Amino acid sequence: QKEVEQDPGPLSVPEGAIVSLNCTYSNSAFQYFMWYRQYSRKGPELLMYTYSSGNKEDGRFTAQVDKSSKYISLFIRDSQPSDSATYLCAMSTNSGGSNYKLTFGKGTLLTVNP
Amino acid sequence: DGGITQSPKYLFRKEGQNVTLSCEQNLNHDAMYWYRQDPGQGLRLIYYSQIVNDFQKGDIAEGYSVSREKKESFPLTVTSAQKNPTAFYLCASSPGAGPDTQYFGPGTRLTVL
Repeated sequence: QKEVEQDPGPLSVPEGAIVSLNCTYSNSAFQYFMWYRQYSRKGPELLMYTYSSGNKEDGRFTAQVDKSSKYISLFIRDSQPSDSATYLCAMSTNSGGSNYKLTFGKGTLLTVNP
Repeated sequence: DGGITQSPKYLFRKEGQNVTLSCEQNLNHDAMYWYRQDPGQGLRLIYYSQIVNDFQKGDIAEGYSVSREKKESFPLTVTSAQKNPTAFYLCASSPGAGPDTQYFGPGTRLTVL
């Protein structure tokens, strides 16, 4: 079982839809969770960062973490064509010498159609 | 402007040649990282450095080498020993070596001819 599983999609939605992107993980030591957005041929851009279970909201984006189920989600409200990108989840532990390391999902390709 | 720069954006190499990818940051971050991204495989860590003059291997270090002589610079050399070097290479930095978020550069696409 891979440490982080993320559905690669592709996911195609109409403009204005609510988008749900998800990752599951197997390592219960993961405590820090991030979502990155990556446009084609560009570097990933940090969207959300959270370290506790529950919801964190930033504009149209909401990050949700359920540590008991080892499941994280990113919701995008009122999706726009400019949201079309690959979304990567990432997570890290807080244990000793390995607390530097981010483990990434493979990314979900999202297309928002006008 | 603060940020991470990578050069060149595109790089072509003949088989058997070594090539060096540049990564510079002016964020005053202590830690720097190199990742490789292949289609359908996500990001894989090649090397990382938590402080100047120190670096550690990541998950796929074979065929690569790095140096960290200055805080702001972390060049990656792709050697001829790397069997499949064609990929998108991403450099990142973070403020410290703890569970900080990492900030990425724009990437270098390396193609071996």
